[in-house]
Amino acid sequence: EAGVTQFPSHSVIEKGQTVTLRCDPISGHDNLYWYRRVMGKEIKFLLHFVKESKQDESGMPNNRFLAERTGGTYSTLKVQPAELEDSGVYFCASSQSYGTSGRRKNIQYFGAGTRLSVL
Amino acid sequence: AQTVTQSQPEMSVQEAETVTLSCTYDTSESDYYLFWYKQPPSRQMILVIRQEAYKQQNATENRFSVNFQKAAKSFSLKISDSQLGDAAMYFCAYSNAGGTSYGKLTFGQGTILTVHP
Repeated sequence: EAGVTQFPSHSVIEKGQTVTLRCDPISGHDNLYWYRRVMGKEIKFLLHFVKESKQDESGMPNNRFLAERTGGTYSTLKVQPAELEDSGVYFCASSQSYGTSGRRKNIQYFGAGTRLSVL
Repeated sequence: AQTVTQSQPEMSVQEAETVTLSCTYDTSESDYYLFWYKQPPSRQMILVIRQEAYKQQNATENRFSVNFQKAAKSFSLKISDSQLGDAAMYFCAYSNAGGTSYGKLTFGQGTILTVHP
């Protein structure tokens, strides 16, 4: 079974440009999450999709960030325009909604991340 | 808001020995999950172990076990018989079990574990 796939693995752009990150979750996983880790700081939650709907977008830093998940499959995270402070590693994760007990297990499987460098 | 604190930026252990990584958290919720994730140098995070707050029994997964102290809000990870492949950054994480933010993982700062042969 394929894991969570992210690409590109590394992106270098100039301030003011646009970058789009892509995440392909594990097949059948309804939940998809975006996180990021900026240099020297802890990993921070950005948002959570359930299928194509945004369940929780409380972590999105500002309106320069736009996440989409059309059709409830892969997701994209666009940064427009990029700023220097957006540099960091962006992680995507996915999970099933419910375990066999009916209780949310919230076991998230992570991708390898996209390292974004804004110059 | 929930917080997770890992007070040990770095730890080291000799191969075959035991090491304990510390984690404390703060929450007003009664039902939640706690996790330890491992991130080897290749960068992909892997779930090591998971604890449900309503279960008093400490979770174990082979050489990995936790000491979950709910009243003290402490969740430490014990690695027994350490192996070279255990070298990684370890993250402690928290999530609510319900509510609109049930999917959100709150992470600690991470602990870099070095294993010496």
